[in-house]
Amino acid sequence: QQQVKQSPQSLIVQKGGISIINCAYENTAFDYFPWYQQFPGKGPALLIAIRPDVSEKKEGRFTISFNKSAKQFSLHIMDSQPGDSATYFCAASIDGTSYGKLTFGQGTILTVHP
Amino acid sequence: DAGVTQSPTHLIKTRGQHVTLRCSPISGHKSVSWYQQVLGQGPQFIFQYYEKEERGRGNFPDRFSARQFPNYSSELNVNALLLGDSALYLCASTNVRGGTEAFFGQGTRLTVV
Repeated sequence: QQQVKQSPQSLIVQKGGISIINCAYENTAFDYFPWYQQFPGKGPALLIAIRPDVSEKKEGRFTISFNKSAKQFSLHIMDSQPGDSATYFCAASIDGTSYGKLTFGQGTILTVHP
Repeated sequence: DAGVTQSPTHLIKTRGQHVTLRCSPISGHKSVSWYQQVLGQGPQFIFQYYEKEERGRGNFPDRFSARQFPNYSSELNVNALLLGDSALYLCASTNVRGGTEAFFGQGTRLTVV
């Protein structure tokens, strides 16, 4: 019940295309859903986050869509760039903040071809 | 301002040995969390400390322990190392009062041989 399932495992997109990564959760107590970006040799960095009272949040080229009834959320990267090539993780937290226990998805390796 | 710093960056240990990993949070951050990231997987929560008290513990054996010091830095200790403990160990700090974002360090790459 604590799992967060992420798909696809890997994704190849052409420059300028849209990258879409999906996550599903089971625990309805989760109330904070961040996305992290991780480059090789680096720690994860927060990209964007959403709470269940909002269905969509956009920051620059990054958009989170949230479907509370389906218990799913997704990350859309518009106008994907080679510099976006990284591993992306969705995560979920129960206590409403990221200082508590974060449950991560398995990760998606994104490759953006020039 | 310095970010989250972890030491050492890389470490090679032999099975059965003990290891201590260190983390210094961002200045002013009082919460530190530890995660284990096995190659190809997402980070797994190990411990969370806030104001020097353990606030959360993940599903890890008692060989794993941690503590937080008065200056809010933290140590993760692992006893009786197993090959399966080989992973990237991440520390995250949060300014609990000032926001919700967890800032991760670059991690310590532990290899057990």
